[in-house]
Amino acid sequence: DTAVSQTPKYLVTQMGNDKSIKCEQNLGHDTMYWYKQDSKKFLKIMFSYNNKELIINETVPNRFSPKSPDKAHLNLHINSLELGDSAVYFCASSQGGGLAKNIQYFGAGTRLSVL
Amino acid sequence: SQQGEEDPQALSIQEGENATMNCSYKTSINNLQWYRQNSGRGLVHLILIRSNEREKHSGRLRVTLDTSKKSSSLLITASRAADTASYFCATHSTDSWGKLQFGAGTQVVVTP
Repeated sequence: DTAVSQTPKYLVTQMGNDKSIKCEQNLGHDTMYWYKQDSKKFLKIMFSYNNKELIINETVPNRFSPKSPDKAHLNLHINSLELGDSAVYFCASSQGGGLAKNIQYFGAGTRLSVL
Repeated sequence: SQQGEEDPQALSIQEGENATMNCSYKTSINNLQWYRQNSGRGLVHLILIRSNEREKHSGRLRVTLDTSKKSSSLLITASRAADTASYFCATHSTDSWGKLQFGAGTQVVVTP
C-alpha cells in the first residue's frame, strides 16, 4: 500500500481554470504538508496542517486554498491558474512537528502544466 | 530565501567511488535531514542528525554536522548506479514548528 498517495499524477490545463489535487496518507500521521518544486528542483513549503488545523501558511497567493477534511487527507485547490503555477506539487506527512517527529514522507508528486 | 545551500550542484562519479556533498545553512537548528529524490519521484528520507550530534552513520551513508560552521556533509561510500539521484538537505529551525527548509539539491550521477 502506498503510504502517501496524491492524485492526479499529471494535470494539464488552461490558464484561468480551477483545479484540485488530492492527497491521502495511511501512516496515521498527524501532520500533512504541501510543497511546490520548481523547474530548478527548489522545494518550497506552502502549507502545513496538524490534526486538521492550519499551522504553516507561507506567502502563497490566495488562489491556493488547502482543505483538510480529516487528518488523513489534505487537498489543494487552485483558482484561476496562471502560467507560473506550472510546477511539481508534493504532498508529505509526518508524525508531528516536534523534534525527530518531523521526518517527512512524500507522495510521488503531481506535475501541473498550465498552458 | 533558501535555508540550505548544497555544494556541488552536480557530481559525476564512477561506481565504487565515494560521493561527498555539502550543505550550509543560516539559522539555529533542531535537526538536519538528508533526502534523496530519484527522477520523477517523491523525496525519500535518508538520515536525520540532531543539533547535538556530530556524526551519524546509516549503511553506506555518513553524515557530519558542524553547528559552529552551520554546515553538514553527506558521504556515500562505494557508490552504485542505483545511487544516481538528487540529494537534498533540509533543516528544522529552532523557531519553527515542523517546517523543513530544503536546499536546491546536489544531482549525483553514478556511471557503471
